[in-house]
Amino acid sequence: EAQVTQNPRYLITVTGKKLTVTCSQNMNHEYMSWYRQDPGLGLRQIYYSMNVEVTDKGDVPEGYKVSRKEKRNFPLILESPSPNQTSLYFCASRGGSVNTGELFFGEGSRLTVL
Amino acid sequence: SQQGEEDPQALSIQEGENATMNCSYKTSINNLQWYRQNSGRGLVHLILIRSNEREKHSGRLRVTLDTSKKSSSLLITASRAADTASYFCATSTSNDYKLSFGAGTTVTVRA
Repeated sequence: EAQVTQNPRYLITVTGKKLTVTCSQNMNHEYMSWYRQDPGLGLRQIYYSMNVEVTDKGDVPEGYKVSRKEKRNFPLILESPSPNQTSLYFCASRGGSVNTGELFFGEGSRLTVL
Repeated sequence: SQQGEEDPQALSIQEGENATMNCSYKTSINNLQWYRQNSGRGLVHLILIRSNEREKHSGRLRVTLDTSKKSSSLLITASRAADTASYFCATSTSNDYKLSFGAGTTVTVRA
């Protein structure tokens, strides 16, 4: 089954404790992206990757890092989480071109930073 | 920054009625997409309309695009309880590889 898998789905952590949210897709998609969703703000893009070893900042990259060493994986790293990073995070991937490709989303990772 | 903005923010209708929501955007686009999100779940792609298209249908969904007004509408006909969800428009411009999402319209279908 074609899917985007995120882990963990739920996480409560404390300020400053490094964490990684993993994302994996099995559709051989080149493009992958991370979004955060906050009430009233919709989805805001954090980082995206056009292909292996190619990453770029989205609209809200501060406090986050990503890496793309393999095509299927695109982990999101919070080196020193802060309470304002409490949010619902989504990983997404896309095949095809900019003009035709739909995004496939994971089920989300709800992060709480105390 | 948000490119698309949906209107209304929330909509409550009776089962069987039609639901219409609108999306306005600010800059010229390559395409516009609509997504559905059931509570707490990931977004699911519904339909994509290109900038040179004016109307598109998919099952009970009808999407229109008016590039002169920089707006799109999503119509769900004969709504069902299962249509209860949040609906988001997302726009793509020609020079970037990002999809910019609006804040969404929350639709509640009452039985």
